[in-house]
Amino acid sequence: DTEVTQTPKHLVMGMTNKKSLKCEQHMGHRAMYWYKQKAKKPPELMFVYSYEKLSINESVPSRFSPECPNSSLLNLHLHALQPEDSALYLCASSPAGGRGTTDTQYFGPGTRLTVL
Amino acid sequence: GESVGLHLPTLSVQEGDNSIINCAYSNSASDYFIWYKQESGKGPQFIIDIRSNMDKRQGQRVTVLLNKTVKHLSLQIAATQPGDSAVYFCAENRGSQGNLIFGKGTKLSVKP
Repeated sequence: DTEVTQTPKHLVMGMTNKKSLKCEQHMGHRAMYWYKQKAKKPPELMFVYSYEKLSINESVPSRFSPECPNSSLLNLHLHALQPEDSALYLCASSPAGGRGTTDTQYFGPGTRLTVL
Repeated sequence: GESVGLHLPTLSVQEGDNSIINCAYSNSASDYFIWYKQESGKGPQFIIDIRSNMDKRQGQRVTVLLNKTVKHLSLQIAATQPGDSAVYFCAENRGSQGNLIFGKGTKLSVKP
């Protein structure tokens, strides 16, 4: 298995809803990442988990809450989002736990989130 | 093929021609660079990478060139095909935490 999978592919939610995005990889990678990508823009890093511990939070609002239950799974819990949070949310993983500058990141297909 | 200036958001080439996509980076301490291809509605797909101790690396139909003197990176695609149509991002890895900094992206369109 050489891919990162994400569910759901599409999600529409209201501003008062609570939802979760899921990411899974079975490549034995030790770092996992959440990115946000707006239309026609590059991905922007949100969170990094290295060896199942949160190592980077890029000043993301608390309405986004990441969780890493084990080394293969990464969740992003969403609560009280705003319409401007609508975007493509990408998950990525890398083999070496993000340590060392040559740790290549591999991306999933993303979840297209629309907040009404 | 066409040679494009830096930060050009779009590149249109004829099928079969060679494509060159350019990228500038700002941090001279960056020592690892990756090119990603992103098709519409999909996540970025790894194409090729290069370390700062190299100036050229070749893959299947793709070549990455690194000029550290002017902090410039390029991706060359040989015999461009319609399936190559996508947005191409360069990314630099600056830190030990694996932070990837993405360039703005270039949209490649291949005309049949």
